[in-house]
Amino acid sequence: EPEVTQTPSHQVTQMGQEVILRCVPISNHLYFYWYRQILGQKVEFLVSFYNNEISEKSEIFDDQFSVERPDGSNFTLKIRSTKLEDSAMYFCAMEDVNTGELFFGEGSRLTVL
Amino acid sequence: GDSVTQMEGPVTLSEEAFLTINCTYTATGYPSLFWYVQYPGEGLQLLLKATKADDKGSNKGFEATYRKETTSFHLEKGSVQVSDSAVYFCALIGSSSASKIIFGSGTRLSIRP
Repeated sequence: EPEVTQTPSHQVTQMGQEVILRCVPISNHLYFYWYRQILGQKVEFLVSFYNNEISEKSEIFDDQFSVERPDGSNFTLKIRSTKLEDSAMYFCAMEDVNTGELFFGEGSRLTVL
Repeated sequence: GDSVTQMEGPVTLSEEAFLTINCTYTATGYPSLFWYVQYPGEGLQLLLKATKADDKGSNKGFEATYRKETTSFHLEKGSVQVSDSAVYFCALIGSSSASKIIFGSGTRLSIRP
C-alpha cells in the first residue's frame, strides 16, 4: 500500500507563530487533501487541491490557512498566525487517480500554547 | 448537506465477542461508503468500502453492507481480538462532493483480554 509521509510528526508552537506542515506526495496522485481532527472530535475536511489550485475548501479554511506545492513536490499547509483552537492532528491525504482511493498520512500533531 | 451519524462510544467488549457499530448516512444520490480505522498513535487506514447498494465490504474479518433502504452501513465482526482496539470512523463520498470524504464522529473500541 502506498505511503503518505507527513512532517513534522509533532510540533509545539506559541500562539501567533507561523506553522508549516508538509506532505510528501506519491506518484500518480494528483488530488491532495488536508483534514484535521481536534482531540476527541470528528475528522474535518479543510481543503482539496488539484493541479496547483484549491478546488474546494471548508468554512474552517479561512485566511489564516494556505496550501501550496512550492517546489512541485511537497504539499504544504501553512497557518500564518496560530490560535489555541488550531491545536489538532492534521492529516494529509492523496487520491489514487486510477482507483479513487484516498490514502492518509499518519498525521502531524500541532500543539499551540 | 451530506452527513454521517455513527454510534457513540466508547464501546468495550471482551475478546471473541460479537461487534456491531452502527452507522447511518444522509446523502443525495448514491454515495460511496467507507469504514476507516485509526489505531493508537497512527493515521487513518481504509478498512473496507462499498460503492453501491447491497454491496458488502469486508476486510480482516470485518463486514459492512450498504443498505440504501435504511441508509445504513453498520460495521460487524463475529469475534473481536485485542488488536482490534482502535477508533472506527464511518465515512462517505457523496455523488456531489467529488472525492471529499465526510466522516462520522468516530467510535472508540476497546477489547478486554
